This record gives sequence, C-alpha cells and structure tokens, in this order.
Amino acid sequence: GQQVMQIPQYQHVQEGEDFTTYCNSSTTLSNIQWYKQRPGGHPVFLIQLVKSGEVKKQKRLTFQFGEAKKNSSLHITATQTTDVGTYFCAGKAINAGNNRKLIWGLGTSLAVNP
Amino acid sequence: DAGVTQSPTHLIKTRGQQVTLRCSPKSGHDTVSWYQQALGQGPQFIFQYYEEEERQRGNFPDRFSGHQFPNYSSELNVNALLLGDSALYLCASSFSGGLKAYEQYFGPGTRLTVT
Repeated sequence: GQQVMQIPQYQHVQEGEDFTTYCNSSTTLSNIQWYKQRPGGHPVFLIQLVKSGEVKKQKRLTFQFGEAKKNSSLHITATQTTDVGTYFCAGKAINAGNNRKLIWGLGTSLAVNP
Repeated sequence: DAGVTQSPTHLIKTRGQQVTLRCSPKSGHDTVSWYQQALGQGPQFIFQYYEEEERQRGNFPDRFSGHQFPNYSSELNVNALLLGDSALYLCASSFSGGLKAYEQYFGPGTRLTVT
C-alpha cells in the first residue's frame, strides 16, 4: 500500500546544532504538509508544499519538496530547546483522485540538550 | 478567532461501554476529520465529514461512527469499547476550497482511557 517513511525516527542534538528530517513516499504526491507535535500536545500545521522542487523558509526552518514529488525534508538551523517535539509529514497521493485522505509518516522525534 | 475545540479533555470508560466525543471546527472551516493517536505513534485517520456526510473513511470498524451538524461541528461515537481503543482522539478541521483543503488544524484532543 501507499506509505510514507520518515527518517530518522529519533534525533538527539545539542542546542545550536542543525537538524534534518526526511520524508520518502512510495507514491508521487500532489502536496505535502509538515506538522509539529510538542510532548503532550497536538499536531500543529507548519506548512504545505505543492510545487516540484519547492523550497519554503520559516525563520530557522527550511522545507523542501523533491523534484519528483516523492520526498521532502525539513531542516532546522541552530536548534533551540523550543524545537523539541515530533515532526510529521503528511501527503496526498497524486493518483488518489477525490480521495482527500492524507498519508502520514510515523514522525521524527527531536530532543535538544541545552 | 477561536481555534478547534474538543470536549471532553479526558474520559475514562469501561470495556463494552459507548462514548461520544465532540469537536467544533475553527471559524471558517467546513470539514472535520477525526484521528486516533496511540502513545508514541502518528495520527491514524478514522474518517472525514463534509456537508454533514462521511466523505472518507480509514481502516476502522463500524463501531466507530460520526456525525456532522449544520454548524459544521462534529461528533465521534465509539460503541462496544475495547481496551485497544485507549488513545488520544484528535479532531482536525480544514476549509474545503482549493489547496487549503489539506491544511489541517487540530484540536487539543480527547484522551480516552478504557479499563
């Protein structure tokens, strides 16, 4: 079935180090979203990418959508303790037609040592 | 601008019982999706409601049912509760128009414990 793999599953960094999580889909996606969930919290929408090769930035966060629209990445520059949480990607398969169900990755949990 | 709200926050039920969870979408949103999130896992899609009808369903048994009201709020009902139904139940709302249909705004969730 269609699935989205996220790597790594866990990442432990020192504050100030960079962090990257990767999302790889078994199928071409029409769009992809990124969400952040703090411990004990709920997923919070960060961004949506739609175009092949698209790059978007939000302060220290850089999001990329691959040229083939099958992979995506989230890069955080100079991590802070406020970046702690689990980062999920979720996308819609391009061949899903009117099916609006998103395929979710299992998430990457980020821990930051102060 | 009110975000997505859910009630109750926490709930403890016994096996075999039935439960109803409630969700009010973010202002301006007309679509509600429900997810189940077990501890340490990603959200699992249960179903989505739009125009008071179930538009999409994930791999959940018929014990899980829902409803959407004319004001776009929604309920999730689970019958014959099992221990494995213990999880965080998340409601997410979105606007049906264009690409924003996939931008989901989550409520704080209802933590259901089945004993």
